[in-house]
Amino acid sequence: GQQVMQIPQYQHVQEGEDFTTYCNSSTTLSNIQWYKQRPGGHPVFLIQLVKSGEVKKQKRLTFQFGEAKKNSSLHITATQTTDVGTYFCAGQADAGNMLTFGGGTRLMVKP
Amino acid sequence: DAGITQSPRHKVTETGTPVTLRCHQTENHRYMYWYRQDPGHGLRLIHYSYGVKDTDKGEVSDGYSVSRSKTEDFLLTLESATSSQTSVYFCAISRGMNEQFFGPGTRLTVL
Repeated sequence: GQQVMQIPQYQHVQEGEDFTTYCNSSTTLSNIQWYKQRPGGHPVFLIQLVKSGEVKKQKRLTFQFGEAKKNSSLHITATQTTDVGTYFCAGQADAGNMLTFGGGTRLMVKP
Repeated sequence: DAGITQSPRHKVTETGTPVTLRCHQTENHRYMYWYRQDPGHGLRLIHYSYGVKDTDKGEVSDGYSVSRSKTEDFLLTLESATSSQTSVYFCAISRGMNEQFFGPGTRLTVL
């Protein structure tokens, strides 16, 4: 079955440093979604990428979808303490398939 | 946040007892999902529904059953709870095969 791997599992950064998490799928994806989960909270949708090579930005967050539509990344510039949480990617193999979530990257930010 | 509630929010039960978790939505979304979240595994799909009385299995469906008799309610039942089913359970909804909105979660402990 489809597998989605995410690295790193944990990341500690100093406030102001950049952060990147990477997502790789065992199969070509129709689209990929990113979610953020604050400690003790529930996952919250951030963005969906659909096109090969697509890049989208949300303020300090930059999302990329690979040319082969099998990998994706989320980059945060100049982290803040409000960025703390676990970031999940979730891939959809085709229009009728369910989402397969990666294991998540837990980001911790030291003030 | 989307109108999704889960009940109970916390439950402690003993091995072998039946348990039912409820997910209720006020958004009239077609799709509803049950996930479990365990450390290192991200979110894994248990069952999902694409309409009233229309359900299908997810990645980790063994030991779980579901029912959806009304658009707004999706029930997850553990027929005979085991310690391996100790987890945090999230319900999610979506209008179509795109972004999902998650409920607050239910923390289940099976002793």
